[in-house]
Amino acid sequence: DAGVIQSPRHEVTEMGQEVTLRCKPISGHDYLFWYRQTMMRGLELLIYFNNNVPIDDSGMPEDRFSAKMPNASFSTLKIQPSEPRDSAVYFCASTVRGVGYTFGSGTRLTVV
Amino acid sequence: DQQVKQNSPSLSVQEGRISILNCDYTNSMFDYFLWYKKYPAEGPTFLISISSIKDKNEDGRFTVFLNKSAKHLSLHIVPSQPGDSAVYFCAASTSFQKLVFGTGTRLLVSP
Repeated sequence: DAGVIQSPRHEVTEMGQEVTLRCKPISGHDYLFWYRQTMMRGLELLIYFNNNVPIDDSGMPEDRFSAKMPNASFSTLKIQPSEPRDSAVYFCASTVRGVGYTFGSGTRLTVV
Repeated sequence: DQQVKQNSPSLSVQEGRISILNCDYTNSMFDYFLWYKKYPAEGPTFLISISSIKDKNEDGRFTVFLNKSAKHLSLHIVPSQPGDSAVYFCAASTSFQKLVFGTGTRLLVSP
């Protein structure tokens, strides 16, 4: 298995632009999580899905952030419009029954 | 509101010595605790876990201790090796729901 695949690995964008981060979970995993890593807050949960349905989006910072999971093999995290304070590393993770997360390699987002 | 706290941002240890990483939590409903290790430019990887019904779990050089009354857990690495140099995240969950992570501790093991 190729593991959790995230794209792109790096993204540099200008403030105000739309950014879309992508994630392909491990086949058969029924939970998918989006985390953001910052120095101040560590790994911060943004949203998670169970069987493609959003369960808890209380960590999404504001309306500029949205996430979708149209099918079991694909999820997106969109920021529109992006701001410099959104610069961070965004991780996607998947798991079965909520146990033993497998993380992707992350997307390093820089908003200038 | 940081429910899981790692108060030491960094720790330096000599090779062969013991590394002790600490973690405190505030939510008494947490019943499952984990440690993840993260190398630069990689995602976190699972290291070891412990259920709230236990107070110790050992896996090779890694041991996790849980003190529920103090809401404290620790990770012991003995002996420490240079390859252990990484950022270590403590995490907790309730009934296998979402994991809440701490801010991480950067461990540096020098030869």
